[in-house]
Amino acid sequence: EPEVTQTPSHQVTQMGQEVILRCVPISNHLYFYWYRQILGQKVEFLVSFYNNEISEKSEIFDDQFSVERPDGSNFTLKIRSTKLEDSAMYFCASSGLASEQFFGPGTRLTVL
Amino acid sequence: AQSVAQPEDQVNVAEGNPLTVKCTYSVSGNPYLFWYVQYPNRGLQFLLKYITGDNLVKGSYGFEAEFNKSQTSFHLKKPSALVSDSALYFCAVRDDYGQNFVFGPGTRLSVLP
Repeated sequence: EPEVTQTPSHQVTQMGQEVILRCVPISNHLYFYWYRQILGQKVEFLVSFYNNEISEKSEIFDDQFSVERPDGSNFTLKIRSTKLEDSAMYFCASSGLASEQFFGPGTRLTVL
Repeated sequence: AQSVAQPEDQVNVAEGNPLTVKCTYSVSGNPYLFWYVQYPNRGLQFLLKYITGDNLVKGSYGFEAEFNKSQTSFHLKKPSALVSDSALYFCAVRDDYGQNFVFGPGTRLSVLP
């Protein structure tokens, strides 16, 4: 069964450093998403991506964040200068047209 | 804009008893409704969805949900709870204008042996 994969599973970084979180969505999906979840709480939408551009983003997704689909398979989230409050689980998801979203296992980001 | 409410932070139920996890929603167009489950240190797993058709939707692991348009609700149910059902449950909604989901705050289900 196809699945969304994410790497790394855990990323530890120093405040102010750049991090790149990687995702491989399901191959025939068209829509890609990033969410974050702090300490097993609410799942917060960050950004959605379709047809090689951002289709919607939340207030959380400020200038420190960017997304890219560099090679047709990977979907990355970059945080340019991490802050302590960026520590969270980051989930990638993908979906086809009018279907449910399939989530990856997440990357735990710890900012020290 | 879409919104989802899950009025209970925590639901406790004895093993073998029926369970209900509540969800109400608000959308401007036709609702597309989803339930996901999250086990500790795991991602979200899809349980079931309502797009159109029968108001009672059956999903994975014996779960079902009932869409009630007049009450704008989509409560998750299971006739007989298992200890292994203990997890965090999220309701989500999107409207027919876009692809983005809005998730509820989650309900922690504890099934006691």
